[in-house]
Amino acid sequence: EAQVTQNPRYLITVTGKKLTVTCSQNMNHEYMSWYRQDPGLGLRQIYYSMNVEVTDKGDVPEGYKVSRKEKRNFPLILESPSPNQTSLYFCASKGLAHEQYFGPGTRLTVT
Amino acid sequence: KQEVTQIPAALSVPEGENLVLNCSFTDSAIYNLQWFRQDPGKGLTSLLLIQSSQREQTSGRLNASLDKSSGRSTLYIAASQPGDSATYLCAVGRMDSNYQLIWGAGTKLIIKP
Repeated sequence: EAQVTQNPRYLITVTGKKLTVTCSQNMNHEYMSWYRQDPGLGLRQIYYSMNVEVTDKGDVPEGYKVSRKEKRNFPLILESPSPNQTSLYFCASKGLAHEQYFGPGTRLTVT
Repeated sequence: KQEVTQIPAALSVPEGENLVLNCSFTDSAIYNLQWFRQDPGKGLTSLLLIQSSQREQTSGRLNASLDKSSGRSTLYIAASQPGDSATYLCAVGRMDSNYQLIWGAGTKLIIKP
């Protein structure tokens, strides 16, 4: 089954404790991206990757890092999380027809 | 800067009615427009994708239209069912190589049995 997976689905952590949210897709897509969703603000792009070792900033990259060492994986790294990064995070990949496929989301709470 | 608006923010209709959800965007230079459905705890599901050269797309009881000149898209749902209750999001694809989607805030749809 074609899918995008994210882990963990839920995470509660404390300010400053480094964390990584993993994302993996099994569709051999070149393009992957990370979004955060906040009430009233819709989804906003954090980072995207056009291919292995090619990443770039989206609209809200501050406080986040990404890496793309393999085509299927695109982890999101929060080096020093802060409460304003409490949000719902989605990973997505894009197919040749430009249709985007989303993971189930990771709900992060930073206290 | 592209802005995407969805009005109303919430809509409640009786089961069986046909309904239309609206999406407007400020810049007509778009690559495509995509409608998604979001269910609590289940992420986002792509419903319909309309390329910039197309006027509409249909899938089952769903029909999405695109009018770039007026900056509008509509999602028509025929014969609504309680299972259609969800938040519906539209997203506009940028024209540059980024493929970034610019999102509306969504319309929360409730279908009353």
